[in-house]
Amino acid sequence: AQSVAQPEDQVNVAEGNPLTVKCTYSVSGNPYLFWYVQYPNRGLQFLLKYITGDNLVKGSYGFEAEFNKSQTSFHLKKPSALVSDSALYFCAVRGSGGGSYIPTFGRGTSLIVHP
Amino acid sequence: DAGVTQSPTHLIKTRGQQVTLRCSPKSGHDTVSWYQQALGQGPQFIFQYYEEEERQRGNFPDRFSGHQFPNYSSELNVNALLLGDSALYLCASSLMVDTQYFGPGTRLTVL
Repeated sequence: AQSVAQPEDQVNVAEGNPLTVKCTYSVSGNPYLFWYVQYPNRGLQFLLKYITGDNLVKGSYGFEAEFNKSQTSFHLKKPSALVSDSALYFCAVRGSGGGSYIPTFGRGTSLIVHP
Repeated sequence: DAGVTQSPTHLIKTRGQQVTLRCSPKSGHDTVSWYQQALGQGPQFIFQYYEEEERQRGNFPDRFSGHQFPNYSSELNVNALLLGDSALYLCASSLMVDTQYFGPGTRLTVL
């Protein structure tokens, strides 16, 4: 079975400071990893994904994520946070084969960026 | 290029009633997945449709059923509604097993 852990329910950061939202995963075989963002009363918006290749993945709105196979982690990062980045962030994982192509989502991390 | 669209935006029903939610996938996508997102939780997979057939199903009772039409749009039906069915229902579309893109969701409230 595949699973995702987002150990922090909430992350607080000051505007202009770097941010990190943590994600660890468990899956059989090679992982496909995703980050989505959700604004209040809206659907999930795709940010970035890791399939293979470079461990540092760049995505939308200046976000990036670092894949670490030995630590089974895929942390989301941004060098300089904006107040408008405040939202709910979801990490998701699925396997690369074996018949199930459905991603499993974490519980989400609320990011609050203070002015 | 329109993204994933869902209707209605909000819906209020009473226990025991039936509801139908609708989804139109992103242009070029052929696969539709449905998720239930309860307050404070991540999306939980209900089922996925491809080529008008249910390809995979999550841990949801038979009260939850669906359909995919030849134009790839999809419906989610829930019978005998329970209070616990109150949630945001999300539709996601993809090209086969590629990245899923989500619609804005339908907020269902069961009274």
